[in-house]
Amino acid sequence: GNSVTQMEGPVTLSEEAFLTINCTYTATGYPSLFWYVQYPGEGLQLLLKATKADDKGSNKGFEATYRKETTSFHLEKGSVQVSDSAVYFCALGFTGGGNKLTFGTGTQLKVEL
Amino acid sequence: DAGVTQSPTHLIKTRGQQVTLRCSPKSGHDTVSWYQQALGQGPQFIFQYYEEEERQRGNFPDRFSGHQFPNYSSELNVNALLLGDSALYLCASSLKVAGVGDTQYFGPGTRLTVL
Repeated sequence: GNSVTQMEGPVTLSEEAFLTINCTYTATGYPSLFWYVQYPGEGLQLLLKATKADDKGSNKGFEATYRKETTSFHLEKGSVQVSDSAVYFCALGFTGGGNKLTFGTGTQLKVEL
Repeated sequence: DAGVTQSPTHLIKTRGQQVTLRCSPKSGHDTVSWYQQALGQGPQFIFQYYEEEERQRGNFPDRFSGHQFPNYSSELNVNALLLGDSALYLCASSLKVAGVGDTQYFGPGTRLTVL
């Protein structure tokens, strides 16, 4: 079946540090890939997405590149801020799958001054 | 443009009771999906409604049922509540015709606590 694996957290960084959160997937076929962010006490917000191999999704300084050869979609940001503290979820979805999303377990990011 | 809304925000029930959660999709969207997010876990797909019918279902027992109304809003019903049903229930809406890669927009969720 389809699955998503994320690096375990929490990840603790100092402000302005470089961020990488690893995400790999297992799927039959070629899914679209997503990163969602969840701030404390809130629902999920789409951060970025990529629909085919070699696509790069980007938003608010975050980037992720769809790597079919390594089945990965790692999230990166060059300089994190305290306001980036949240839980980040990697997810995949398919056409014909009715847009059902399969999520990873989430990675908590804590950014300190 | 209103986003996805859910009600109530929080709910406390006791074992064996029944609960109904409500969701209004983002304006222009016709498809509603429900997810269960246990504490410290990623969301798990419950089911999806389109054209007032359940189109796809995840690995959840039939205690979990739903409905979609002509205005595209949706309800999630859970019968015979168990302690393990305590979770954040998320509703997501999307537009079916857009196909894959179209974005699912999530609501803020309903926090259900079963005592």
